[in-house]
Amino acid sequence: AQSVTQLDSQVPVFEEAPVELRCNYSSSVSVYLFWYVQYPNQGLQLLLKYLSGSTLVKSINGFEAEFNKSQTSFHLRKPSVHISDTAEYFCAVSATDSWGKLQFGAGTQVVVTP
Amino acid sequence: DGGITQSPKYLFRKEGQNVTLSCEQNLNHDAMYWYRQDPGQGLRLIYYSQIVNDFQKGDIAEGYSVSREKKESFPLTVTSAQKNPTAFYLCASSGGPWTEAFFGQGTRLTVV
Repeated sequence: AQSVTQLDSQVPVFEEAPVELRCNYSSSVSVYLFWYVQYPNQGLQLLLKYLSGSTLVKSINGFEAEFNKSQTSFHLRKPSVHISDTAEYFCAVSATDSWGKLQFGAGTQVVVTP
Repeated sequence: DGGITQSPKYLFRKEGQNVTLSCEQNLNHDAMYWYRQDPGQGLRLIYYSQIVNDFQKGDIAEGYSVSREKKESFPLTVTSAQKNPTAFYLCASSGGPWTEAFFGQGTRLTVV
């Protein structure tokens, strides 16, 4: 079984400041790692994913995450946030043989203010 | 456009009633999932299906039932046995273990 811990339930940040959302996981088997974003009353949208290869993955809107196997972490960062980044962010893992069943963290609410 | 359609967006249920949430996908994905979302708890897996006419329980299946008669459809029934059904329900599909899951827009169920 897998578990995911998102250490911060809410992160307030000023516009144009950097932000880091922390995610740690535990698993006895190999996993794939994901970050999803959710806007109010909507479904989840994939932000970025790590399946294999380079441990640093980037999204088209400036987010990046680094897979650290030794620390079992997959922290999400953005060097400069916009008001539109206000949303809830979920870290998720799936075992590589689990056919996409996701185990989610509790989520981190990011609130960007001017 | 390809995607996942959930209906209705909002649903109200009286205590003791069964209700069915619809989920349809046109992505030609084999796997489909139902998750429940409660504030501060992330998403929890209710049921999943990897192939037509087959499905398995997830972590919180009690009080729920599903069917998978067609590849594109995976309806969820919330039965009267579910003690606390008020939640946001999300359906997802996946093309395989090496790809991400795609989510619908969700159904918010409220018991009145």
